Amino acid sequence: AQSVTQPDIHITVSEGASLELRCNYSYGATPYLFWYVQSPGQGLQLLLKYFSGDTLVQGIKGFEAEFKRSQSSFNLRKPSVHWSDAAEYFCAVGGGATNKLIFGTGTLLAVQP
Amino acid sequence: GAVVSQHPSWVICKSGTSVKIECRSLDFQATTMFWYRQFPKQSLMLMATSNEGSKATYEQGVEKDKFLINHASLTLSTLTVTSAHPEDSSFYICSARPPGAGELFFGEGSRLTVL
Repeated sequence: AQSVTQPDIHITVSEGASLELRCNYSYGATPYLFWYVQSPGQGLQLLLKYFSGDTLVQGIKGFEAEFKRSQSSFNLRKPSVHWSDAAEYFCAVGGGATNKLIFGTGTLLAVQP
Repeated sequence: GAVVSQHPSWVICKSGTSVKIECRSLDFQATTMFWYRQFPKQSLMLMATSNEGSKATYEQGVEKDKFLINHASLTLSTLTVTSAHPEDSSFYICSARPPGAGELFFGEGSRLTVL
């Protein structure tokens, strides 16, 4: 079955600290992987995506993610978190002609001053 | 990036009434749009795929007669929640993929509250 798991429901980090949000997926074919961010009451904004090629992808706002096929993971990282990064982060997997996305349950990030 | 816009951003209605939510692709044509539903503090669940000029494809467990989808043009898809009840209260988000792009772009979402 196709699925996305985000093990951490809620994470709190201090401003300036590094961040890693975990994402594991189960997908029958070559996955297209995405990270989206959602602020309260807002739609989703794409942070970064992986389709093929270099397994370390750079995104907006200083985020990066690494695709590890052997671990079926696509963890999101940022070296230094800013207070404005507080939001909910969703990992998603998709592929094929329909491009339907399967989302993880999200990780809510809180940033302490 | 591409822009997808939804209207209204929020709507409150009485139980038993119907509510229409619009999803527009502002700077590209979309033959396919996707409607998601998000419950509070939960993830997004795909409800249906809206296909321009043809019937929508609904995910398992989604009532076709409850959630009517119309994709009448290449830039507009509508979701109508018919005979709404309090359990239909949710955040509805649409998305579309511009031609040649690999990712989906999402609208701002529409929060429906049924009293």
